[in-house]
Amino acid sequence: DTEVTQTPKHLVMGMTNKKSLKCEQHMGHRAMYWYKQKAKKPPELMFVYSYEKLSINESVPSRFSPECPNSSLLNLHLHALQPEDSALYLCASSQGLAGASHEQYFGPGTRLTVT
Amino acid sequence: SQQGEEDPQALSIQEGENATMNCSYKTSINNLQWYRQNSGRGLVHLILIRSNEREKHSGRLRVTLDTSKKSSSLLITASRAADTASYFCATVSYNYGQNFVFGPGTRLSVLP
Repeated sequence: DTEVTQTPKHLVMGMTNKKSLKCEQHMGHRAMYWYKQKAKKPPELMFVYSYEKLSINESVPSRFSPECPNSSLLNLHLHALQPEDSALYLCASSQGLAGASHEQYFGPGTRLTVT
Repeated sequence: SQQGEEDPQALSIQEGENATMNCSYKTSINNLQWYRQNSGRGLVHLILIRSNEREKHSGRLRVTLDTSKKSSSLLITASRAADTASYFCATVSYNYGQNFVFGPGTRLSVLP
């Protein structure tokens, strides 16, 4: 199984809502990533988890809160978002960290719209 | 920033032609990876080239790396309509905490 799954596929939320994005992989990968991608732009790294510990936080606002409950799951909790946070949120995993020459496997993404 | 930059930003070719995309970056790297993204979907890994490698092949793909010029190229031979997608290079550098940084991408259109 070389698949990374993400739920939901689409999410519309108001600025006062609290929601969560979920990501799951069963490849035994020990690194997991969250990216944000705006239209016609490249993905921007948000967070990296390595062995279930947060190893990189790219100065992401606190309204985004990541969580790695176990080695297969990665969540992104959303609270008090702004309309400019509307984007495609991509999850990825890799056997080890990308710096050790490991390719990343991406999920299909969650299309988030903040109203 | 160590971000890679792709050239051209958009490329339109006929089916059967070859497509060449270039990527430049600013700092020393550990490896460089190429990904493809179909419209609004997840990225698919194409090929990884390490800093001590100069060329790699995978099917119709050929990637070169010139660390002295801090540049890489992706060649797709005998292109097909199904190759229509955005192509991104991504660099990894230990000097930057192993951050994974994507270039702006090249939007390739292969016309039947």
